[in-house]
Amino acid sequence: LAKTTQPISMDSYEGQEVNITCSHNNIATNDYITWYQQFPSQGPRFIIQGYKTKVTNEVASLFIPADRKSSTLSLPRVSLSDTAVYYCLVGDLTGTASKLTFGTGTRLQVTL
Amino acid sequence: EAGVAQSPRYKIIEKRQSVAFWCNPISGHATLYWYQQILGQGPKLLIQFQNNGVVDDSQLPKDRFSAERLKGVDSTLKIQPAKLEDSAVYLCASSLDVGYSQETQYFGPGTRLLVL
Repeated sequence: LAKTTQPISMDSYEGQEVNITCSHNNIATNDYITWYQQFPSQGPRFIIQGYKTKVTNEVASLFIPADRKSSTLSLPRVSLSDTAVYYCLVGDLTGTASKLTFGTGTRLQVTL
Repeated sequence: EAGVAQSPRYKIIEKRQSVAFWCNPISGHATLYWYQQILGQGPKLLIQFQNNGVVDDSQLPKDRFSAERLKGVDSTLKIQPAKLEDSAVYLCASSLDVGYSQETQYFGPGTRLLVL
């Protein structure tokens, strides 16, 4: 199973772009990368998922280099409401969700 | 579309007592998950159901935890007897298909359990 490493915490000011990098050195060919967001007192919420290169949606962008040993979640112009914990997960396309591991995530604090 | 519903939202019990949590997934979702989230940690999967069958319960402490999804819809998770270390938030999630790792999971608000 691919192990992920993320920074424990990050701080940002409102309006800045935030990039959270996740390291997954032993990612396998069949593995996907998924990011979830969790606000206090709520369950995690899916943000974005990708396999390679770049994926963009209305919330974030996900950058994955050619070697796929890391990925970067990019949040454009964060606001106070983006304060949350962000989890990077790596999962096997052919495996069940039971093989996913959330880890401790990155706690993002956005201030004025 | 209604989200994943869980009840109760909060529960306080004494150690050695029993407790049960209920989850109603999003309508039509085949796969249901129960997670345990201890303060400061990420969610840990306890059990995964596909319809009313168990896909994976390898991390469920079966000596005290049990879960069922009898009609393939809602589910209950029980702890008997509870220990102090069971204090956590219990999250239920569901996904549309058979529960492959890349499927989006939709989480409920969780039940916060405190064992005294």
